Amino acid sequence: DAGVIQSPRHEVTEMGQEVTLRCKPISGHDYLFWYRQTMMRGLELLIYFNNNVPIDDSGMPEDRFSAKMPNASFSTLKIQPSEPRDSAVYFCASSLTLGVPDTQYFGPGTRLTVL
Amino acid sequence: DQQVKQNSPSLSVQEGRISILNCDYTNSMFDYFLWYKKYPAEGPTFLISISSIKDKNEDGRFTVFLNKSAKHLSLHIVPSQPGDSAVYFCAASGGSSARQLTFGSGTQLTVLP
Repeated sequence: DAGVIQSPRHEVTEMGQEVTLRCKPISGHDYLFWYRQTMMRGLELLIYFNNNVPIDDSGMPEDRFSAKMPNASFSTLKIQPSEPRDSAVYFCASSLTLGVPDTQYFGPGTRLTVL
Repeated sequence: DQQVKQNSPSLSVQEGRISILNCDYTNSMFDYFLWYKKYPAEGPTFLISISSIKDKNEDGRFTVFLNKSAKHLSLHIVPSQPGDSAVYFCAASGGSSARQLTFGSGTQLTVLP
C-alpha cells in the first residue's frame, strides 16, 4: 500500500495568498484527519471526516480555514487568506473503523511557510 | 488545558541501555493509548498501543505499561539502538471523542552510540 499521500511537501507563499493542501488517504480507510504541528502547540487536530462527512471541525482555528472531502480518496485543506502565523507542518492521517481502534496512519506532512 | 502531558522534552540514553519515556493524562474517559515515533521530515508512525483493560503490552523491544490509578503510562525500549533516535508522541482516545487522538507534546530520544 502506498500509505497516506500529501502534496505538496513544501509550500512557500506570501501573506494574503490562498493555500491548498491535498491528501489521499489509504484506500479503504473511512476516517480522515487533518492535524497541524507547531512548536508552541504541538500536534493538534483541526478536523476529521467519516465516510467523507465532516464530523468535528472544532479544531479549525478560524474561518480562514476550510476542509473538504469530495470523495473517499481525496481531501483538501484550504487557507484563505494565509497569514504568517499559519506557518506549520500540516499532516493528514487516515484510519479504518474495523481496524485496531483509533490507530491512525499519517502522511509525510506539508511544511507551509507564509512570508 | 493539556489532557496528555509528556514532561520531558528530551532524553539521552547510551546504546544498549533501557529508554523509558513517560506520559501522564488527566481525562479518566481515555481508554486507549498509543505511542507514535516521528523522524525528521516524516509523519508520525504508529509504534505500539494498549487498551485500558490491560496494564502491559509488549512488542519486541518495545513495552508499554499503563497505570490507570496514577493516570500514567510509559514506553520502555530495551535495548536501545541509535535508529531509535526520534521524537516519541504519546496519544490517547476515548469517551465522547472516541475517534479522536489527543497527543502529548513529544519527547526527543537520542540514543548515543
